[in-house]
Amino acid sequence: DTAVSQTPKYLVTQMGNDKSIKCEQNLGHDTMYWYKQDSKKFLKIMFSYNNKELIINETVPNRFSPKSPDKAHLNLHINSLELGDSAVYFCASSHLGDEQYFGPGTRLTVT
Amino acid sequence: DQQVKQNSPSLSVQEGRISILNCDYTNSMFDYFLWYKKYPAEGPTFLISISSIKDKNEDGRFTVFLNKSAKHLSLHIVPSQPGDSAVYFCAASGSGGYQKVTFGTGTKLQVIP
Repeated sequence: DTAVSQTPKYLVTQMGNDKSIKCEQNLGHDTMYWYKQDSKKFLKIMFSYNNKELIINETVPNRFSPKSPDKAHLNLHINSLELGDSAVYFCASSHLGDEQYFGPGTRLTVT
Repeated sequence: DQQVKQNSPSLSVQEGRISILNCDYTNSMFDYFLWYKKYPAEGPTFLISISSIKDKNEDGRFTVFLNKSAKHLSLHIVPSQPGDSAVYFCAASGSGGYQKVTFGTGTKLQVIP
């Protein structure tokens, strides 16, 4: 039974398109995160939500918009995709302050 | 500005021997440290953590050592097994409230049978 799931696993799209990545956790955690792992393998926090409220918002273009409809879901919508958005995006969840549980990642390729 | 650094991108160790993975940090406000393991095409999985009030934490074959004065931590795996072959990420955060976790760039460990 998957703890943190993401869909889709792979996403190939053209520049200028809008796309969404969905994340769900069934661990009962109160905090969810989006990370980006770029080609240099840096794993960087983008956003974090605690009980559906945004608590961390790193310097991310406002083309990226997270949405948390409830505590178990955190979706990432990306407008006007650019080549530099190509990366692996990881969703994670935790109880606030505890270790994080990661999803399997979504590999986004922008052509 | 990379506040958590893993200077060895890769490490090869014989099965049964000790693996030592190193991590340095620059932010003196960090006081909670974690190690994650990542297999290809999977997300990172939590391995072990240590709070700054300790200098050692052990869990089975895995031990993390923290040297606050040197801003250095290390992960020891004894004995190393082929299934330990993965990328290991060091991570650090402050304590309390909404503290983001900062990750290192990872060290790829290969355990040779």
